[in-house]
Amino acid sequence: DTGVSQNPRHKITKRGQNVTFRCDPISEHNRLYWYRQTLGQGPEFLTYFQNEAQLEKSRLLSDRFSAERPKGSFSTLEIQRTEQGDSAMYLCASSLEATGGGNTQYFGPGTRLTVL
Amino acid sequence: GQNIDQPTEMTATEGAIVQINCTYQTSGFNGLFWYQQHAGEAPTFLSYNVLDGLEEKGRFSSFLSRSKGYSYLLLKELQMKDSASYLCAVSGNTPLVFGKGTRLSVIA
Repeated sequence: DTGVSQNPRHKITKRGQNVTFRCDPISEHNRLYWYRQTLGQGPEFLTYFQNEAQLEKSRLLSDRFSAERPKGSFSTLEIQRTEQGDSAMYLCASSLEATGGGNTQYFGPGTRLTVL
Repeated sequence: GQNIDQPTEMTATEGAIVQINCTYQTSGFNGLFWYQQHAGEAPTFLSYNVLDGLEEKGRFSSFLSRSKGYSYLLLKELQMKDSASYLCAVSGNTPLVFGKGTRLSVIA
């Protein structure tokens, strides 16, 4: 297993454009998470899935942000009408659900978004 | 509300021991994690505590006191490669809430 992968690794876009990022989790993991990280801050939770079900999406930063995991495997995060404030590292993580919580999340390398 | 506090920066000498503290107030508690993050890279898992006490894993140990909302990460025999940010994160009603991280610089 090669771990969590994310594509692209870097994305430069102009303000107002839409962008989509992809995350492929560790194959046996049923949970997938998206975070945003800006310089000097810890990762900020956005949303997560268990299989194809999106269990929490209230933390998505605005209605311009959406995520899908259509077949319970890979996931996409889309940002519509990007703004300069969206520039950040977008991290994906996956875990295997365990009874009682405490699922260890393993992170991908991230997608660095720059909005000009 | 949810709040996780850890020092912003620390400096320690190669070969020494350093302790990075973390205090937390969160909604629900399913465990506390420590991650290491080198500049420009993804966080990598170091340790997990759900019960009070010390968990030791090689040069790294992590301690938890649930009643005090307190944890620390202990790094022994520091090496230059340990220079990184160390993130404290709590699993509760939100899958993971991270602190801002402690940037550790190891000097010769």
